[in-house]
Amino acid sequence: EDQVTQSPEALRLQEGESSSLNCSYTVSGLRGLFWYRQDPGKGPEFLFTLYSAGEEKEKERLKATLTKKESFLHITAPKPEDSATYLCAVRVSSNTGKLIFGQGTTLQVKP
Amino acid sequence: DTEVTQTPKHLVMGMTNKKSLKCEQHMGHRAMYWYKQKAKKPPELMFVYSYEKLSINESVPSRFSPECPNSSLLNLHLHALQPEDSALYLCASSQAEGSKQTQYFGPGTRLLVL
Repeated sequence: EDQVTQSPEALRLQEGESSSLNCSYTVSGLRGLFWYRQDPGKGPEFLFTLYSAGEEKEKERLKATLTKKESFLHITAPKPEDSATYLCAVRVSSNTGKLIFGQGTTLQVKP
Repeated sequence: DTEVTQTPKHLVMGMTNKKSLKCEQHMGHRAMYWYKQKAKKPPELMFVYSYEKLSINESVPSRFSPECPNSSLLNLHLHALQPEDSALYLCASSQAEGSKQTQYFGPGTRLLVL
């Protein structure tokens, strides 16, 4: 069965304290891994798409990496405004748009 | 521009009411999606429309009825809902349904069923 697991469930950091969020997956065939950021009561905001092991994408303080079994979202010198829930999702079929989401990691950055 | 709009932002309805949620995008996307999200849970896929035709129905109860009048609009008609249907309803769109297509989400409609 296709499965996506995110860890940790919650993460508290001090401003400037770098860390990483993990998304591990066991799927029959990966057709894309997606990272989203979601603020409370809002819709998910697209961050990155990764397709192949070894691929990396960067945006401001965020960097996403992909291996054959997992993806990491590295947050460098986070700021309080980075506080949000980060969702990882995978597509396993090339024919449908169905995404399998992880449970998310809720990040709190304290000033 | 990657904007998906949803109306209304908030909706309160009784179990006997009929209401509709609306979603609109002007990015030329040909796949549109409805998701349901409960508090502290990830989004759950409900329906997928591809080129205005229903592509996926994730065994959603018939009290939820989707409609895609044209390539820019997606509606979700609600009838005889239950209190457990209270959730954030999210619309998303992508260029097409196939692989390598990023889904862009709207802000959601917060639904409360009394």
